This record gives sequence, structure tokens and C-alpha cells, in this order.
Amino acid sequence: AQSVSQHNHHVILSEAASLELGCNYSYGGTVNLFWYVQYPGQHLQLLLKYFSGDPLVKGIKGFEAEFIKSKFSFNLRKPSVQWSDTAEYFCAVKASGGYQKVTFGIGTKLQVIP
Amino acid sequence: GAVVSQHPSWVICKSGTSVKIECRSLDFQATTMFWYRQFPKQSLMLMATSNEGSKATYEQGVEKDKFLINHASLTLSTLTVTSAHPEDSSFYICSAPTGTSVYEQYFGPGTRLTVT
Repeated sequence: AQSVSQHNHHVILSEAASLELGCNYSYGGTVNLFWYVQYPGQHLQLLLKYFSGDPLVKGIKGFEAEFIKSKFSFNLRKPSVQWSDTAEYFCAVKASGGYQKVTFGIGTKLQVIP
Repeated sequence: GAVVSQHPSWVICKSGTSVKIECRSLDFQATTMFWYRQFPKQSLMLMATSNEGSKATYEQGVEKDKFLINHASLTLSTLTVTSAHPEDSSFYICSAPTGTSVYEQYFGPGTRLTVT
């Protein structure tokens, strides 16, 4: 079974600071990887996903993530955060192929201070 | 984009009673829906996969007799918490994949259940 760990549970940054949220997964086979975001009072939304190809994935709102297979990692980055990025971020993994379940990390609460 | 709704958004019930939560795909058909629960400061835990026209698939440790799932149509799945207890208080979220892309899951807004 797959599992996901997110190392930073609560991150506080000032606007314009750079962001990197760590995500590591464990699974013996090929995986699909995701980052979801939940803004205060809103639904979970897909931020970006990796299925195959270029390990550097670009998502919405200037976010990107890099899949490093040798490290089982899929860290989320943004060069300059804004106050509107305040949200909870979830890393998720699923075994590739078909209707496989998605396993979520515990989430990282990001607070951006103006 | 695809929209998934849940009803009710919050519910308070007495211990021992049953509560039904609805999950609807509003502008697309979903042969599969997923039910999650989320405890405070914890991640989403998949409870079960709801399949239209067949039995749900439950995750290990989830009591199928307690959490009854019915997926009677291509746009509606229901989760009934039977004989609810305070420890069932949680945030229940459903999601539905669109089309053939199972990874394009759209999440409902969630239902906050409080059992007193």
C-alpha cells in the first residue's frame, strides 16, 4: 500500500518569500502524484499532477513540483508567495493505471503574512 | 468545471440515530464516487469507493454495516452513518472522477457531522 508524508505541518512566510513544501511517498511501483490545495472555506482543488514525462511539473498560480524518483519525493515550490496563497496543501499519490485510490498526506497549512 | 455537491453541509444528531449524506455530480455522470473522512488536523482518509449499480468497496478498518453506501444513479451516491456515536463526528467529503480520467477528481464541499 502506498503512503505519503508531508514534513511541514504549518509554514508561515512573508509575502514574496520563496516556498518549498516537502512530500515523500512510499510505493514499490509506478505512481501518479498530485498536489491539492484547499483555500479557507472552499473545496479541495487540484493544483498540479505528475503522470509521466518531464519530472518538473507546472501547475496553476505559479506553482511547480519536481518528481525525483530516486528520492521518492514530489516537493512543491513557488518562487514568490502571495497573501492569497494562504491555504492548506495536500500531497497525494496513487498507483498508476486504472481506478486506483488516492492516498493523501496530512496536509501543510501555509500562512502568508502581508 | 465539474461540480460536486453535498447535502447537508452540516448536521447535528443524537447518539444512536442515523444520518444520510448525499453526494451529487451536478453536470457530469459518475459511475464511481469516493467517500473520505477527515478528522481535525489530520488528512483525508478514504473510507470507500462507491460504484453505481454494484456494492461499494470499503477500505480496511471501515465498518460496512455502519457506513452504508448506496450509488443508485449516475449522479448520486449516499452515505448513511447508522447508529451514530460521538466518535463518528467528523468531516465527510465525497469526490467524483470525470470521464475516463480518474485522476481528475472533483471534491464536494464536505459535510460536518456532530454526534451529541
